[in-house]
Amino acid sequence: AQSVAQPEDQVNVAEGNPLTVKCTYSVSGNPYLFWYVQYPNRGLQFLLKYITGDNLVKGSYGFEAEFNKSQTSFHLKKPSALVSDSALYFCAVALGGSNFGNEKLTFGTGTRLTIIP
Amino acid sequence: GAVVSQHPSRVICKSGTSVKIECRSLDFQATTMFWYRQFPKQSLMLMATSNEGSKATYEQGVEKDKFLINHASLTLSTLTVTSAHPEDSSFYICSATPRYGYTFGSGTRLTVV
Repeated sequence: AQSVAQPEDQVNVAEGNPLTVKCTYSVSGNPYLFWYVQYPNRGLQFLLKYITGDNLVKGSYGFEAEFNKSQTSFHLKKPSALVSDSALYFCAVALGGSNFGNEKLTFGTGTRLTIIP
Repeated sequence: GAVVSQHPSRVICKSGTSVKIECRSLDFQATTMFWYRQFPKQSLMLMATSNEGSKATYEQGVEKDKFLINHASLTLSTLTVTSAHPEDSSFYICSATPRYGYTFGSGTRLTVV
């Protein structure tokens, strides 16, 4: 079984400061890892993904994440937070491989990020 | 980029009636689509995997007779909530997978009164 842990329900950061949203995962094989952002009553917007290659992944809106295999982590980061970054963030994992696309995506419980002006 | 269109975005229905939610992949074919349910301030829980031309695969604890899934074409999957009750009120989101990604619909807020 695969799982994702987001240990922080809430993260508060002052505008302009760097932010980190933590994520660890468990999967029986190579992981495909994703970060999504959700605004109230909206679907999920894709931020970035790790499939293979460089461990540092750059995504939308200045976000990046680093895949750390030994620590089974995929923390989301941004050098300078904006008030508009305030939203609900989900980390997710799927089992990588040739059957990708038919593999289900497992989500963490979400982290609410609040950027304080 | 790949787009998944979900309709309606919001629906209010009376208890005991049925509601159909549509999920369409607009610019790609999706042999597999996923249906999720999200309770307030909670994560997305996978309900079922919809397979084109065959029966859906339901997650443990999800009533397949209550949540009917039909995936009749490569671009359309539907979720029908039958005999809806207030406890079925929730946010439902569908997803499909273009190459190396999961794209989500904008979600449907179902309120059963």
